[in-house]
Amino acid sequence: QSALTQPASVSGSPGQSITISCTGTSSDVGGYNYVSWYQQHPGKAPKLMIYDVSNRPSGVSNRFSGSKSGNTASLTISGLQAEDEADYYCSSYTSSSTLEVFGTGTKVTVL
Amino acid sequence: EVQLVESGGGLVQPGRSLRLSCAASGFTFDDYAMHWVRQAPGKGLEWVSGISWNSGSIGYADSVKGRFTISRDNAKNSLYLQMNSLRAEDTALYYCAKGGRSDIFPVGCFEYWGQGTLVTVSS
Repeated sequence: QSALTQPASVSGSPGQSITISCTGTSSDVGGYNYVSWYQQHPGKAPKLMIYDVSNRPSGVSNRFSGSKSGNTASLTISGLQAEDEADYYCSSYTSSSTLEVFGTGTKVTVL
Repeated sequence: EVQLVESGGGLVQPGRSLRLSCAASGFTFDDYAMHWVRQAPGKGLEWVSGISWNSGSIGYADSVKGRFTISRDNAKNSLYLQMNSLRAEDTALYYCAKGGRSDIFPVGCFEYWGQGTLVTVSS
């Protein structure tokens, strides 16, 4: 099972919006509405930001939103803030014997 | 407050074994599936294994199948990972994670994560 494909890096200025893509196949992203997104600051554990494609856990800012089209899921961060600078990973349930696959990760830089 | 505290990591020689533990608190442990996710130094996340609320469903990544065994003790609010025949490529920070649902089909999401325990496999 190959990792989902994410851009290595995305950057934006404070206040801007950025979008991170997560591309898989019909066996994972395209086949199920079980895509999640995680934020990880350096030296810290990951934090759940989005689950089931577009749902936000309690306490997560509404500046974070998720969507999916075909085999590609997306995470959009609007009103970019300095604290959003981190690594972001998508994950998806998969029909393969390895039940869950993560994305390659995207480093978000706030200029 | 949900707390997940991993322990049991360390330096181990290739081919040897290690057992990781995760102590959970702040939620009804036996209502949720639990997972192990690892992260090699400077690398991305990799799902390792998951177990349903009642241990009835268990899954493993292909990379560890046949070598690792996940288990849980609901009476002790604890999750375990028995790792045998360790290889250099198993070197990673191992996270314990609370699932978002009771089963692992589908996995769903990882709602909360511990701080991890480091496993280093080297001679």
